[in-house]
Amino acid sequence: AQSVTQLGSHVSVSEGALVLLRCNYSSSVPPYLFWYVQYPNQGLQLLLKYTSAATLVKGINGFEAEFKKSETSFHLTKPSAHMSDAAEYFCAVSDGGFKTIFGAGTRLFVKA
Amino acid sequence: NAGVTQTPKFRVLKTGQSMTLLCAQDMNHEYMYWYRQDPGMGLRLIHYSVGEGTTAKGEVPDGYNVSRLKKQNFLLGLESAAPSQTSVYFCASSYSHRLSGANVLTFGAGSRLTVL
Repeated sequence: AQSVTQLGSHVSVSEGALVLLRCNYSSSVPPYLFWYVQYPNQGLQLLLKYTSAATLVKGINGFEAEFKKSETSFHLTKPSAHMSDAAEYFCAVSDGGFKTIFGAGTRLFVKA
Repeated sequence: NAGVTQTPKFRVLKTGQSMTLLCAQDMNHEYMYWYRQDPGMGLRLIHYSVGEGTTAKGEVPDGYNVSRLKKQNFLLGLESAAPSQTSVYFCASSYSHRLSGANVLTFGAGSRLTVL
């Protein structure tokens, strides 16, 4: 069975500071991994995805994530936070089949 | 492009009432899904469909039924609503994983349901 654990339900950073959102996964097969972002009162949008082509994945809005098999992690980072990054972020895993399993989400707050 | 459209956006029901949420996608996606989102629990899969006329149960199917009579539409029904079904419901769609490898989901804006 697959699962996703996101460490920290809330993360607060200052504008211009590094953003680090943590995600660990469990999968019995090589996984596909995703980060989705949800802005208030909207649906989720794909931020980036890992499909085994490269361990460092770049996404939209300056975000990137690194797949580390030895640590079963897929942490999301952005060098410099912007006020517009305030949202909820979801890590997700798939075995390449029909289903995608989501983490509980991490809400990012950005302070001016 | 409309993408994935959900109706209604908001609904208040009394316990025991029934209702149907409608999801429509215009991207010719094979797969469609219904999720519910509850605070601190992320998204949980209710039902999904891998093609017209086929449906399957997800993680939390009890109390819900679905139908996919047309490729572009996926309906979620509550036969007898309960307060535990108060949630935000999201529809999503994707291409077949056999075509795309990774199952990238396109989501609707959500339907907020309150059961009193």
